[in-house]
Amino acid sequence: QQQVKQSPQSLIVQKGGISIINCAYENTAFDYFPWYQQFPGKGPALLIAIRPDVSEKKEGRFTISFNKSAKQFSLHIMDSQPGDSATYFCAASKETGGFKTIFGAGTRLFVKA
Amino acid sequence: GAVVSQHPSWVICKSGTSVKIECRSLDFQATTMFWYRQFPKQSLMLMATSNEGSKATYEQGVEKDKFLINHASLTLSTLTVTSAHPEDSSFYICSANYRGNTGELFFGEGSRLTVL
Repeated sequence: QQQVKQSPQSLIVQKGGISIINCAYENTAFDYFPWYQQFPGKGPALLIAIRPDVSEKKEGRFTISFNKSAKQFSLHIMDSQPGDSATYFCAASKETGGFKTIFGAGTRLFVKA
Repeated sequence: GAVVSQHPSWVICKSGTSVKIECRSLDFQATTMFWYRQFPKQSLMLMATSNEGSKATYEQGVEKDKFLINHASLTLSTLTVTSAHPEDSSFYICSANYRGNTGELFFGEGSRLTVL
């Protein structure tokens, strides 16, 4: 099931800094690439998502960069805040598969105050 | 936003017993629900896809007789862990999408199962 590879496993960033998490996928049939945020003991929640027809999407402090030819995408969190401390999962799915979603291994982000 | 409710949020049972976990979409009809399993500090592993009115589709390596999934209506899917053993202890999370959705999954709060 490991079709989405995510790095780093953990990340410590100073408050106000930029957090960068990277993912790579294998299946070129994927057409939806979301990022989910999960706090301890809770279910994940969608943070931001992108389709492969665009190279970048920005929502507030969160930006996805997408490189279709390299089969890679990344999440940038600008002006990182302590409240951003959570586990982040990249994921991939395809519409023809009913959006069955495969998750990366996760990145535990800790933002130091 | 769409709300998915999961119940119970935590359960402790004795080895050999069966446990049922419910997943409900509260404000939308979920044509498809997905069940995931998550071990501590690990990723979400897809167990099965549940479609209303049809048999669930299980991922490779998931025992269908062990993890019974029923999607009785467009708002309810259940996961029954049969003859539970300590190795079945885990965090089980359901998710749903709905007709016309862009692909976003709406997750329940998860159910933590501990088998003694």
